[in-house]
Amino acid sequence: DSGVTQTPKHLITATGQRVTLRCSPRSGDLSVYWYQQSLDQGLQFLIQYYNGEERAKGNILERFSAQQFPDLHSELNLSSLELGDSALYFCASSVGLDNEQFFGPGTRLTVL
Amino acid sequence: DAKTTQPNSMESNEEEPVHLPCNHSTISGTDYIHWYRQLPSQGPEYVIHGLTSNVNNRMASLAIAEDRKSSTLILHRATLRDAAVYYCITYSGNTGKLIFGQGTTLQVKP
Repeated sequence: DSGVTQTPKHLITATGQRVTLRCSPRSGDLSVYWYQQSLDQGLQFLIQYYNGEERAKGNILERFSAQQFPDLHSELNLSSLELGDSALYFCASSVGLDNEQFFGPGTRLTVL
Repeated sequence: DAKTTQPNSMESNEEEPVHLPCNHSTISGTDYIHWYRQLPSQGPEYVIHGLTSNVNNRMASLAIAEDRKSSTLILHRATLRDAAVYYCITYSGNTGKLIFGQGTTLQVKP
């Protein structure tokens, strides 16, 4: 158990819908990262927050957005969902900006 | 972040050492080398990282070439639980983003 929690574990929805994935980092960790893992693209970095501020952006679509709240939990919002958005979404956290990252168990999103 | 090249797959026998190679010929002088692994149906898990010197921890050892263009992750005695995809990542530290390649799928045979 990494100490990072993600909810929900599984999510099934339809194309065009909007969903919110939630992540609670390990106690004391200020950085939160979001990654997407699909069969054809592998593990891809989406976005990072550090102490509430956006720190780095990767291959995140404009339909996706994220935020980190004052209590340091983070949410990833996915809108106008397409079939290709079906994937595992991982959240990770770390103490600072360049420490080892601890990954949560992931949320499996299925878009039908 | 420099590109890394790893073999797609490797096999090992249980209780034997495993050497997982990684090439990162375009690594810059300040990039760290990180290794993560992903067991089936789990999120990635940190294994080890280093900059220039060889590193040891309870999970593995990391041997870094003198020119830093390659490194080797060493599992001293493979167990069935070590069967996973191993990712070698070069990491600038300016941002926290890890750029994962395809990794090496390690099979451990009893």
